[in-house]
Amino acid sequence: DIVMTQTPSSQAVSAGEKVTMSCKSSQSLLYNENKKNYLAWYQQKPGQSPKLLIYWASTRESGVPDRFIGSGSGTDFTLTISSVQAEDLAVYYCQQYYNLYTFGAGTKLELK
Amino acid sequence: EVQLVESGEGLVQPGSSMKLSCVASGFTFSNYGMNWIRQAPKKGLEWIALIYYDSSSKYYADSVKGRFTISRDNSKNTLYLEMNSLRSEDTAMYYCANVNSDWYFDFWGPGTMVTVSS
Repeated sequence: DIVMTQTPSSQAVSAGEKVTMSCKSSQSLLYNENKKNYLAWYQQKPGQSPKLLIYWASTRESGVPDRFIGSGSGTDFTLTISSVQAEDLAVYYCQQYYNLYTFGAGTKLELK
Repeated sequence: EVQLVESGEGLVQPGSSMKLSCVASGFTFSNYGMNWIRQAPKKGLEWIALIYYDSSSKYYADSVKGRFTISRDNSKNTLYLEMNSLRSEDTAMYYCANVNSDWYFDFWGPGTMVTVSS
């Protein structure tokens, strides 16, 4: 099974700050045949179901603000929020879909 | 508009059974694989089961293999999860989500809560 490790587990932020969070997989998520990384990011706000933000490690889902930036390849991935807004306070999960599915434990963004 | 709505919420005793449903609308249900994902209180997300669009393949997490069964009825646009031999650790919010042709999850339902307790 592929293990997904997210750090930090929580982060206190102020509005306008740049935020980065990490996601590491126990094996490469890069499929050589199509050169795509099978990594997605989801946002879950309190009391809501998760919402897709990013797929293929760096492609934003339609309607997702461009302050959300996914990057990385292989086993190391990053989600960056260029200027955090109050509505971004949530838990962010990475997920591999290379071999069935595994989620990371999440990074919770809190207000400083 | 795509909608997924889970049902079957309830409190059950350890060792008992329960069946969840997820009704889909706003897309061609029979063209998409479907998943069940759960989230224990204050915990993270755990994928538990996948079924192909035509029910030809089914996959399960080790934590539920042999106890849970995923199925679907494309004529009713409905996904099911039959849960047997329930344990306290199965207490969670259960979500259904579709999987698109690129294998990630497009849409999630709001979830239905299952509590296993004596």
